[in-house]
Amino acid sequence: GESVGLHLPTLSVQEGDNSIINCAYSNSASDYFIWYKQESGKGPQFIIDIRSNMDKRQGQRVTVLLNKTVKHLSLQIAATQPGDSAVYFCAENSYSGNTGKLIFGQGTTLQVKP
Amino acid sequence: KAGVTQTPRYLIKTRGQQVTLSCSPISGHRSVSWYQQTPGQGLQFLFEYFSETQRNKGNFPGRFSGRQFSNSRSEMNVSTLELGDSALYLCASSLSEGIAAYSPLHFGNGTRLTVT
Repeated sequence: GESVGLHLPTLSVQEGDNSIINCAYSNSASDYFIWYKQESGKGPQFIIDIRSNMDKRQGQRVTVLLNKTVKHLSLQIAATQPGDSAVYFCAENSYSGNTGKLIFGQGTTLQVKP
Repeated sequence: KAGVTQTPRYLIKTRGQQVTLSCSPISGHRSVSWYQQTPGQGLQFLFEYFSETQRNKGNFPGRFSGRQFSNSRSEMNVSTLELGDSALYLCASSLSEGIAAYSPLHFGNGTRLTVT
């Protein structure tokens, strides 16, 4: 069935290093992908999105890469900071007629060590 | 601009009761979606509304229902509560018509429902 899975449940990095969070999706018809960050006690916060007609998109300190051949998505965070510690979710727009729904991965916990 | 507002933040109910959760979207957003978040199942889609019409529905029993008002505010209702309904219920809004459009959802901080 449809699913968006994350490769690692927890990622621990040193402050200042770059972080890479991976995500696999199963629906080749999905055409829109979003990364969210969720801190304790808060709702998911939008980080960056990418459409399927793109391979790469950059934001402030973040880059999303999309590999449609292997149905893989990654989020790269440059110069990781303690404030980046959170759970990161990838979400997939699942095409379904004129409307769709977001399918979320299980999440990766990013721990930043000072 | 104010974000998505959900009320109440916390609720404690007993089995068999019903509950209504409220959501005010970002001003100008006409699409409102609801998600359930639990440690075991993660974030799961409940339903989406646009212009007071339900546009899509997830795989939840009929005890879960919702509606949207003319001002885009939305409510969801859960009847005959079960212990397994304990979760964080998240509301999200977006600019576009339906989630299929290329506009990200913006989430509120959720309502934490505990069923005892």
